[in-house]
Amino acid sequence: ILNVEQSPQSLHVQEGDSTNFTCSFPSSNFYALHWYRWETAKSPEALFVMTLNGDEKKKGRISATLNTKEGYSYLYIKGSQPEDSATYLCAFDSGGSNYKLTFGKGTLLTVNP
Amino acid sequence: NAGVMQNPRHLVRRRGQEARLRCSPVKGHSHVYWYRQLPEEGLKFMVYLQKENIIDESGMPKERFSAEFPKEGPSILRIQQVVRGDSAAYFCASSGVKGNIQYFGAGTRLSVL
Repeated sequence: ILNVEQSPQSLHVQEGDSTNFTCSFPSSNFYALHWYRWETAKSPEALFVMTLNGDEKKKGRISATLNTKEGYSYLYIKGSQPEDSATYLCAFDSGGSNYKLTFGKGTLLTVNP
Repeated sequence: NAGVMQNPRHLVRRRGQEARLRCSPVKGHSHVYWYRQLPEEGLKFMVYLQKENIIDESGMPKERFSAEFPKEGPSILRIQQVVRGDSAAYFCASSGVKGNIQYFGAGTRLSVL
């Protein structure tokens, strides 16, 4: 059974703070690591797909890094804004014949104005 | 530019009834995935379909659940003789190329009374 862990489970920060959270995943049979942003009652929105060890991706104030050898990825948000409040999900993709995603339970971020 | 459309958004069924959940993938996408989120749990893979074929149904309960993705029309997840434990949010995702980003719908929330 694949285990994808995210920490912390929830996080409260003040507007303007920078923050980061962690996703840990199996270091074997790795194909890709996906990050999603999920607001309540909406669709999970794809942020990044990362495949190579050492990958760094950036989208506006959000960036992510990937370490496949030790099995972790960090998501960073610089200068958090209230609209960043959401659950951030990571998902492990082992490729193979089906590319199904194994999700962590997410980190719930609340940014207070 | 329609994304993944799921309907209905909310579905209420009594025990023993049938539930049919529909998913229209992004136009041109031929890969469809169904995931389920039970209360207090993360998203869990159920089934992966390509047009007219079930590729991987390893996450789907062996009884009462079935899925299809016909040549024409939406993908359907069908749950026969629903029980209270089937109450969950069911999400559909699609991708254009195997292994690429999966785009999610907003989900169908099934409540079994």
